[in-house]
Amino acid sequence: EVQLVQSGAEVKKPGDSLKISCKASGYSFTSYWIGWVRQMPGKGLEWMGIIYPGDSNTRYSPSFQGQVTISADKSISTTYLQWSSLKASDTAMYYCARRLCSGGSCYVSFDSWGQGTLVTVSS
Amino acid sequence: DIQMTQSPSSVSASVGDRVTITCRASQGISSWLAWYQQKPGKVPKLLIYAASSLQSGVPSRFSGSGSGTDFTLTITSLQPEDFATYYCQQANSFPLTFGGGTKVEIK
Repeated sequence: EVQLVQSGAEVKKPGDSLKISCKASGYSFTSYWIGWVRQMPGKGLEWMGIIYPGDSNTRYSPSFQGQVTISADKSISTTYLQWSSLKASDTAMYYCARRLCSGGSCYVSFDSWGQGTLVTVSS
Repeated sequence: DIQMTQSPSSVSASVGDRVTITCRASQGISSWLAWYQQKPGKVPKLLIYAASSLQSGVPSRFSGSGSGTDFTLTITSLQPEDFATYYCQQANSFPLTFGGGTKVEIK
């Protein structure tokens, strides 16, 4: 069974750094892209970026480029999303999600999702 | 960036109704479109990919159609568990983008 298990909720202050994680199991971790999606309170879904754990090839949304860093550690089947200096506007739920591959083809849509990590940034 | 515009933003419907949600892309995306369902406090769930392919395990009352710039998600015979927010997502090019969502509410 494919599972993506994310790290727990975080409460941070503006200016703090943070790294949240997404641990994969049940499939070949290095063979599927993993994306990150933000959902601010009461709002819609926003794609942040995506990483291919096999070679750490990463693509970012221009809206998030330079604001976050996405990385992966193949040895423990885990991807990360990190901030060097949080803002109150980073308060949101963050999801990791695996790229869909079906019938020998892959699509840049997401079929398996982590449970989400709620990040609250408040002074 | 490709902008995705969903309509309506909300719809009130009754159990058993047919519901249609539209998604329009700001430029052609062939059939590279997905639909997700999200219930309050829950994780998004993939319903449809490649515009019309039903994800495994999704009931057949959900269907998708369209290509180019105009796409439709149809729910035939709405069930109580279908009351949720639905999002489209273009999978044609980076940056990936989602529509603003359509909330399906109980009439």
